Amino acid sequence: GESVGLHLPTLSVQEGDNSIINCAYSNSASDYFIWYKQESGKGPQFIIDIRSNMDKRQGQRVTVLLNKTVKHLSLQIAATQPGDSAVYFCAESWAGTALIFGKGTTLSVSS
Amino acid sequence: SAVISQKPSRDICQRGTSLTIQCQVDSQVTMMFWYRQQPGQSLTLIATANQGSEATYESGFVIDKFPISRPNLTFSTLTVSNMSPEDSSIYLCSAWDSPGDTQYFGPGTRLTVL
Repeated sequence: GESVGLHLPTLSVQEGDNSIINCAYSNSASDYFIWYKQESGKGPQFIIDIRSNMDKRQGQRVTVLLNKTVKHLSLQIAATQPGDSAVYFCAESWAGTALIFGKGTTLSVSS
Repeated sequence: SAVISQKPSRDICQRGTSLTIQCQVDSQVTMMFWYRQQPGQSLTLIATANQGSEATYESGFVIDKFPISRPNLTFSTLTVSNMSPEDSSIYLCSAWDSPGDTQYFGPGTRLTVL
């Protein structure tokens, strides 16, 4: 079946650094992608999304990049803070179907 | 954005019993979904809860084990039947206003089966 995978299971950064979390997807028909943040004991929290007709989208301190040629998605967090420590999931969807999730990357920010 | 609540937030249950989890959305939504998140893992889609008709289950999930109801556009329930310790997971309700729109999640129900 189709799946979304992540390159790195853990990422450790210093406070103030920029973080980059990567994601590879396998379904070339996917047209919608989301990044979620999940803190311990909580449900996934929406961070940012992007549609397949775009290659970059910016939010507050976050940027999502989409490379359809190599089926790669990344989340960039600027000036990472301790409060950014969490598990980050990418998820994909196509033709309005339910989201399919990747394995998750744990981001650990030390001060 | 839709605000989603779930009840109970957590429960500890005995093997062989059943638990029904409730999901309430603060606005009418087109689509509702149920996911399972096993310890230390990602989210796996269980089923799409269809209003007024039977839920659509993903491979590996069956109605006898996970019966789902969706009586209206704001509410759904998931029952975990005849539980075993392998069912210990977080169960998450999700919804979106329209297909391809942002999909929001509830806080999850943490289930432990002894």
